[in-house]
Amino acid sequence: SYVLTQPPSVSVAPGKTARITCGGNNIGYKSVHWYQQKPGQAPVLVIYYDKDRPSEISERFSGSNSGNTATLTISRVEAGDEADYYCQVWDYSSDHVVFGGGTKLTVL
Amino acid sequence: QVQLQESGPGLVKPSETLSLTCTVSGGSINNYYWSWIRQPPGKGLEWIGYIYYSGSTNYNPSLKSRVTISVDTSNNHFSLKLTSVTAADTAVYYCARHGKEWGFDYWGQGTLVTVSS
Repeated sequence: SYVLTQPPSVSVAPGKTARITCGGNNIGYKSVHWYQQKPGQAPVLVIYYDKDRPSEISERFSGSNSGNTATLTISRVEAGDEADYYCQVWDYSSDHVVFGGGTKLTVL
Repeated sequence: QVQLQESGPGLVKPSETLSLTCTVSGGSINNYYWSWIRQPPGKGLEWIGYIYYSGSTNYNPSLKSRVTISVDTSNNHFSLKLTSVTAADTAVYYCARHGKEWGFDYWGQGTLVTVSS
């Protein structure tokens, strides 16, 4: 089965740029989606199709995907960005949904 | 605006069957995939399985032997049954809408199900 690997945690100072990676075999050939989850809340889609943003999501959120790594980038990080972030793909070989293990973003 | 709402018992005894329903409002259940996802306390998201509006299903291999997802298009809801539950099935259970390519765009608020005698 397809596996997505995320770092457990990333720390960043306010105003700086956070990069959260999602590793997978040839993930560059798949569409990657990213979710933000704050404590006690349901996940929220922040990036879909590798780099597209829902209209309600800040332009500070961006995504890229190439080779074996997809990346969620958060620019000018704010305290309110502190959350867990998950990547997700559709594995066409099995028609299964796959989530990464999640990354906790801490704003210092 | 599409809204999803999970409903069902918050407490289930070990070895019994967990049953949840997700009611969809503000939009049709047709032409989409509908999944159940769970999150044990302090842990990450685990996809349980999905049903397409036509009735076709696919399940996480780790849960496949215990899971059934069904859909009622007339009443715009879909349901989850998980048999022979143990404490390891204690989690917040979410229902969500998605496509193959565009991710999960609408989620329910989640419901905590505790497995305990």
